[in-house]
Amino acid sequence: DTAVSQTPKYLVTQMGNDKSIKCEQNLGHDTMYWYKQDSKKFLKIMFSYNNKELIINETVPNRFSPKSPDKAHLNLHINSLELGDSAVYFCASSQVDYGYTFGSGTRLTVV
Amino acid sequence: QKEVEQDPGPLSVPEGAIVSLNCTYSNSAFQYFMWYRQYSRKGPELLMYTYSSGNKEDGRFTAQVDKSSKYISLFIRDSQPSDSATYLCAMNTGNQFYFGTGTSLTVIP
Repeated sequence: DTAVSQTPKYLVTQMGNDKSIKCEQNLGHDTMYWYKQDSKKFLKIMFSYNNKELIINETVPNRFSPKSPDKAHLNLHINSLELGDSAVYFCASSQVDYGYTFGSGTRLTVV
Repeated sequence: QKEVEQDPGPLSVPEGAIVSLNCTYSNSAFQYFMWYRQYSRKGPELLMYTYSSGNKEDGRFTAQVDKSSKYISLFIRDSQPSDSATYLCAMNTGNQFYFGTGTSLTVIP
């Protein structure tokens, strides 16, 4: 039973398209996150939601819009995709200060 | 200066070797120090965490924190091919988490 599941696993799309990535956690955690991992494996936080409220919104183009319909779900919508958006996007959740549970990632390729 | 610095490697060692992975940081407000392991095409998984200076041991893994030097380490004893992965250090202050860039480790049978 997957703790943090995100779909799709792979996404190949053309520049200019709009796409969404979905994330669900069944751990009962209050806080969920979106991270972007570039080709050099650097993980950078994008957004964090605590109980459906946005608490971290890093410097991310406003083409990226997170939505949290409830505390178990955090989706990421991306408008007007650009080549530089190609990366692996990880959803994560946490309940305490010291540990995330990550999803297995969505590998986005913009062509 | 980045908040967290980590040597990206790659690091290649023979099976059975002792591996030492290190990170330095600049923010003295960091509270928790973590190590994550990431296998290829998988999400990072929490390996160990520590709160204070000192050592914490879990099987073949030992995490060490030196707050005075702003330096953390992960030691892997008797390394196995299954330890081949990228290891990321992470630390936080409140809700803000910072990750190192990861060290790629290959253990050769």
